[in-house]
Amino acid sequence: DIQMTQSPSSVSASVGDRVTITCRASQGISSSLAWYQQKPGKAPKLLIYAASSLQSGVPSRFSGSGFGTDFTLTISSLQPDDVATYYCQQADSFPCSFGQGTKLEIK
Amino acid sequence: EVQLLESGGGLVQPGGSLRVSCAASGFTFSSYAMTWVRQAPGKGLEWVSTVSGGGGTKYYADSVKGRFTVSRDNSKTILLLQMNSLRVEDTAVYYCAKALGGKISSDSWGQGTLVTVSS
Repeated sequence: DIQMTQSPSSVSASVGDRVTITCRASQGISSSLAWYQQKPGKAPKLLIYAASSLQSGVPSRFSGSGFGTDFTLTISSLQPDDVATYYCQQADSFPCSFGQGTKLEIK
Repeated sequence: EVQLLESGGGLVQPGGSLRVSCAASGFTFSSYAMTWVRQAPGKGLEWVSTVSGGGGTKYYADSVKGRFTVSRDNSKTILLLQMNSLRVEDTAVYYCAKALGGKISSDSWGQGTLVTVSS
């Protein structure tokens, strides 16, 4: 089974900052990676699929990159509405595991 | 607009059974794989099961294999998860989610239903 490891587990940044979250797969998954945002008490929301494709309706300040085993989610200019926990998920094969999550807070 | 509405959660004793449902609307249900994902209180997301659009192919997490059964009724646009031999560690919010095209990732999610396994 493929293991997904996110870092950091939590991050605190100021409004307007550039924020980067990384996700590493235990084996190569080409570009089969998704990123989700989950706000407290809410269902997850798809942000990025196929490593770098922005889901419809998602603000352009979110972007994804990577291939193989190392991936990155970047928020170019942090907004108060971005406070949430972010998860990566490998979509290469079953079981399609999630990372453990990164909690993003505003300083 | 895609809508997914889970129901059937509740309190059940260890060793018991429960069936949760997900009513889908707003898309051609039979054309998309559907997935169950759960989240234990205060914990991260855990993939549980995925079923193909036609219902003939099913995948399960090792943690539920042999105890949970996923199925779908395409005529009624309903996704089901039959959970048997429930354990305390199965306590979680269970979300149903629609697959993104031919991919494993999920582009639409329900609001979730809480399953509590406790004596």
